Amino acid sequence: AQSVAQPEDQVNVAEGNPLTVKCTYSVSGNPYLFWYVQYPNRGLQFLLKYITGDNLVKGSYGFEAEFNKSQTSFHLKKPSALVSDSALYFCAPYTDKLIFGTGTRLQVFP
Amino acid sequence: GAGVSQTPSNKVTEKGKYVELRCDPISGHTALYWYRQSLGQGPEFLIYFQGTGAADDSGLPNDRFFAVRPEGSVSTLKIQRTERGDSAVYLCASSPWASGLANEQFFGPGTRLTVL
Repeated sequence: AQSVAQPEDQVNVAEGNPLTVKCTYSVSGNPYLFWYVQYPNRGLQFLLKYITGDNLVKGSYGFEAEFNKSQTSFHLKKPSALVSDSALYFCAPYTDKLIFGTGTRLQVFP
Repeated sequence: GAGVSQTPSNKVTEKGKYVELRCDPISGHTALYWYRQSLGQGPEFLIYFQGTGAADDSGLPNDRFFAVRPEGSVSTLKIQRTERGDSAVYLCASSPWASGLANEQFFGPGTRLTVL
């Protein structure tokens, strides 16, 4: 069965500090990998995706993600967190459809 | 430009009733997706349209769920004989190309369905 694991329900970080939101996956083949963000009362928004090539992918709002094939991980990172980054983040591998994780709530404190 | 819109934003119905949820995708997007998001969970794929046809309906939970996209634009998700377990937020997304190219999907705000 195909699955996605976001092991942390919530990540707390102080503004200005680096952040990491973890994701590991178990899917067949070589999936594309996506991160989406869900702000309160707003729809899911695309952050970034990995297709092929450089293992470090840069996306919107200063976010980046590191693909590790041997560990089947695709962790989301940002060097310096902002309070406005507080939201729900979803990792989603893509084979023939997006498979979403359960999400990680990021809380950035001033 | 206008994003994906969904109506109604909220729908409350009684067990056993029929409901229709509408999705208006971004103009020109040929791919359209329906997802269901239960409380505390990530979105769960239901069905994908490429144009007017359902290319993949493997996520529909049972035959009470049906979706159409007759003119390749607006789509309607139909749920018959609703059950309390159908309560969730139903999300629609559209994409400019076929699913196989793994392009970014643009999501609507969702319809929150509550079955009493």
